[in-house]
This record gives sequence, structure tokens and C-alpha cells, in this order.
Amino acid sequence: QSALTQPASVSGSPGQSITISCTGTSSDVGSYNLVSWYQQHPGKAPKLIIYEGSKRPSGVSNRFSGSKSDNTASLTISGLQAEDEADYYCSSFARSSTWLFGGGTKLTVL
Amino acid sequence: QVQLRQSGPGLVRPSQTLSLTCAISGDSVSTNSAAWNWIRQSPSRGLEWLGRTYHRSAWYNDYAVSVRSRITINPDPSKNQVSLQLNSVTPEDTAMYYCARDGGSGLVDVWGQGTSVTVSS
Repeated sequence: QSALTQPASVSGSPGQSITISCTGTSSDVGSYNLVSWYQQHPGKAPKLIIYEGSKRPSGVSNRFSGSKSDNTASLTISGLQAEDEADYYCSSFARSSTWLFGGGTKLTVL
Repeated sequence: QVQLRQSGPGLVRPSQTLSLTCAISGDSVSTNSAAWNWIRQSPSRGLEWLGRTYHRSAWYNDYAVSVRSRITINPDPSKNQVSLQLNSVTPEDTAMYYCARDGGSGLVDVWGQGTSVTVSS
């Protein structure tokens, strides 16, 4: 099983919106509505920001939103803020009851 | 408030067994509504899901294909903890290891503090 594909880096200015893609296959992203997104700041454990494709855990800003089309999931961050600068990872349930992660995307707030 | 506290050695010799423990507070390892995962992270491999254990009238395990022949995840209800054993380690197993709770459908909302493990002679 291969990791999910994410862009290595994205950037945006404060107040702008950015979208991070996460491409899988019909055996994972395309088959299940079980995509999660994590935010990770340096030296910290990942923090869940989206689960089941588009749901936000309690306490997560509504500036974070998730969606999916076919084999590609997307994370959109609107109204970029300096504290959004971090690494972002997607994850998807896959056949044979396993979970896959993306390679991660480094978000730079200009 | 659910908390996960990891313990285990930070240095393992090549070909030996990596053993880590994750003590659970605020929840039960035997709950029918969560799964207990081990995940690792390294600069070369990024985040990698290793496996999980969960209880649904019986105990179940799922493991990543990449480590399936070398990994064992065991629940210990008497101590309310979960353990990870990874056999025959190589330097490629050097990573930060995390235990994490999945509250259902990928709701991995609680993480341990992480254990940095180096495989070296």
C-alpha cells in the first residue's frame, strides 16, 4: 500500500484561502468517507482538525473545512492566520482495515 | 479527560525487539467505542500507521502491511494499557512512536506524548 499523495508545500498570505489536496486510489480515499486531516506544529504531536472527510472536532475553527471528489480529498483553510503555519497530513481508511497517511504538506504563511 | 502516557526505552539494538507501553487514563482499553493505535514518524518515512487493537465483544488487531510480519499490539485490561512490540528492528525503525485513540471513524483525538526510539548498536 502506497502513501497518499500531498503537495510538499503550499503558501498563502494572511487572510487568503489555501487548499491542500490528498490523492489516493479507489481502494482508500475513493471507497470510504473516512478521510482525516491533522495539523502538526514543530515538536508537537499531530492534532486532528477534520474527520470523516468534512467533520470538525469540538474546538476546531470553522476556518478549516474538508471535502472529497472521487479519489482526492481536500483541506481548505480560509482566512489564513500566522498560527496556521504548520505541517498538514491527510489520512484515509483503506481496504484490509488499515490506515494510510499522506506524505505531509508544509504550509507557509507569507 | 482521556490521557495516554507512553513508556519504554529510547535505544534499541539492531535485530532486537522494540517494546513500548501506553497507559490509558480517563477511558478503558476494553471500550467498545474506540480503537488503540500505534503510529510512528520519521523524517524519511513521514507519518506511518503501524496497527491497532480494539474490543467489540472480542479482541481484534489490524496491522500495516509494511510491518505485519514483525509487529504485535496487545491490550492489557488489568493495567488498562496497550503495548507495542516490533521484532527484528533495523535503523530504518528509528522514529518517534505515538500511541493514539481513535474514537471511531478516524476520530484520532488523543495522542500520547511520543517516544523517540533510536535503533543503533
